[in-house]
Amino acid sequence: DAKTTQPNSMESNEEEPVHLPCNHSTISGTDYIHWYRQLPSQGPEYVIHGLTSNVNNRMASLAIAEDRKSSTLILHRATLRDAAVYYCILRLNNQGGKLIFGQGTELSVKP
Amino acid sequence: DAGVIQSPRHEVTEMGQEVTLRCKPISGHNSLFWYRQTMMRGLELLIYFNNNVPIDDSGMPEDRFSAKMPNASFSTLKIQPSEPRDSAVYFCASSLIQGAAFFGQGTRLTVV
Repeated sequence: DAKTTQPNSMESNEEEPVHLPCNHSTISGTDYIHWYRQLPSQGPEYVIHGLTSNVNNRMASLAIAEDRKSSTLILHRATLRDAAVYYCILRLNNQGGKLIFGQGTELSVKP
Repeated sequence: DAGVIQSPRHEVTEMGQEVTLRCKPISGHNSLFWYRQTMMRGLELLIYFNNNVPIDDSGMPEDRFSAKMPNASFSTLKIQPSEPRDSAVYFCASSLIQGAAFFGQGTRLTVV
């Protein structure tokens, strides 16, 4: 299975931007890059996904490297409610869209 | 749409009993996933379906676990017989193939 590598934890200050990195050097050309987050005591929540171009939505932005071997999730202004575990996942096209979660990055936000 | 609906939210059962977890995916979605989450192992993919057909059940831990999707609007995950080590939170998620996956609130299973 294609693997992603993320830092175990990151810290941010409230109202500052946060850049969460992810490496996925084994990505194949048709795999989508997905990001989810899990708040304490809740189920995972979809954040954003993309294939080649950068993507923006109301929650975050996704910057994808030109060679697609890495990506960065950008939270433009962190709030205390953004404290969660963030998962970067490859959705494997040659395996019917398989979605495997790794360990993720635990983001803490300081007031 | 009400989102992915799982039932029950909590289940406490005795070792050896049969447990059935239920999931109603979002209408129109054609992929459905079952996950299990524990502190030790994190989120594990158990099985997933595309268009009601099981695609990969390699994550199902043992023959005690089985999953079905008889139609596009319903899936079950059954454990028979249940064991204490099956205690976990079980999540169901649905999506369009390659699209965003949306998760239910989960079923917290405790086997005593």
